[in-house]
Amino acid sequence: QVQLVESGGGLVKPGGSLRLSCAGSGFTFSDYYMNWIRQAPGKGLEWVSYISSRASTRYYADSVKGRFTISRDNAKNSLYLQMNSLRAEDTAVYYCARGVSGVVIMYYYYYMDVWGKGTTVTVSS
Amino acid sequence: SSELTQDPAVSVALGQTVRITCQGDSLRSYYASWYQQKPGQAPVLVIYGKNNRPSGIPDRFSGSSSGKTASLTITGAQAEDEADYYCNSRDSSANHVLFGGGTKLTVL
Repeated sequence: QVQLVESGGGLVKPGGSLRLSCAGSGFTFSDYYMNWIRQAPGKGLEWVSYISSRASTRYYADSVKGRFTISRDNAKNSLYLQMNSLRAEDTAVYYCARGVSGVVIMYYYYYMDVWGKGTTVTVSS
Repeated sequence: SSELTQDPAVSVALGQTVRITCQGDSLRSYYASWYQQKPGQAPVLVIYGKNNRPSGIPDRFSGSSSGKTASLTITGAQAEDEADYYCNSRDSSANHVLFGGGTKLTVL
């Protein structure tokens, strides 16, 4: 079945680094945009980053720009998030999600139809 | 970048109809998608595009849009619909993805 599985979360000190991974299966990984979304404890969803199917386009939320790097390896059906200079406010559950984009009669759409269960990142001394 | 605004909380009596709204400038050119999230679980897509439901989503969920406002309607709310609901689209400049702040739905 179609699924995404995140890994790599853990406890890290402020200023430290962590690399998250997301393994896709059950679908043609290279056909899809991919996203990282996070959710701080008790808070709403926050989009973190996006990468196009061939990795030609990458976007970041202002809160992580310059510190986080998204990448993918389509041969391994895998998505990554390299997180550097971590701060306490980066503490969250991090989800990867498959993105679908298109246009219907001049109206655009973008949605995330498959989500992983998430991996927890805690930044604390 | 632009924002998506949702009411923080909405309640509905069991079996009644409830509408959850989402406002933002990006919705003038992007359809909103909607996600349901229950405590301790990952979000689940419930509505996408003009008014499409993924397989397995009950037909009591529907979506609509007018101007810069998108709506998720649950017709005949059930106890299992109690959850947080988030809207989503892309920024009109297309280089950011947006989420609304979420609406906590209580079924009375």
